[in-house]
Amino acid sequence: DTEVTQTPKHLVMGMTNKKSLKCEQHMGHRAMYWYKQKAKKPPELMFVYSYEKLSINESVPSRFSPECPNSSLLNLHLHALQPEDSALYLCASSQTGTGGHGYTFGSGTRLTVV
Amino acid sequence: AQSVTQPDIHITVSEGASLELRCNYSYGATPYLFWYVQSPGQGLQLLLKYFSGDTLVQGIKGFEAEFKRSQSSFNLRKPSVHWSDAAEYFCAVVFLEYGNKLVFGAGTILRVKS
Repeated sequence: DTEVTQTPKHLVMGMTNKKSLKCEQHMGHRAMYWYKQKAKKPPELMFVYSYEKLSINESVPSRFSPECPNSSLLNLHLHALQPEDSALYLCASSQTGTGGHGYTFGSGTRLTVV
Repeated sequence: AQSVTQPDIHITVSEGASLELRCNYSYGATPYLFWYVQSPGQGLQLLLKYFSGDTLVQGIKGFEAEFKRSQSSFNLRKPSVHWSDAAEYFCAVVFLEYGNKLVFGAGTILRVKS
């Protein structure tokens, strides 16, 4: 299995809702990432987990809450989002904490906040 | 600060023509370098990567890239473009001194005309 699987593919949520994005990989990678991509923009790093511990938080608002329950799974919990949070959320993984073997990206979750 | 520059926002080439997409980065030591391709609404697919060694690297789909340390560049090339190559291309860099952060350039949208 050489894929990063993200669910759901599409999500529409209201500003008072609580939802979660899920990311899974079975490649034995020990680092996992959340990126946010707005339309016509490059991906921007949000969080990095290395060996299941949060190692980088790019000053992301607390309405985004990451969780890494185990080495294969990464969640992003969403609460009280704003319409400007609508974007493509990409998950990625890499073999080590330095990304020396490359990063594998999932196909993303298209989030719309209404 | 670390940065990745893709000077061309859009490029249009004829099918069968050669292609070169430019990428420059600001950094002192040799970083890890990547090229990704993204079709509309999709995730990112890795085309090729450079860590060390031979400065000309081969990737998937007939792409290659050359690392030039003196110019801080990592340009992507393809000798003959196919209509299916139309997509957005991102150059990305891991600046090792700044932790495990994959930083993307702004992207270049490739259009292929028949």
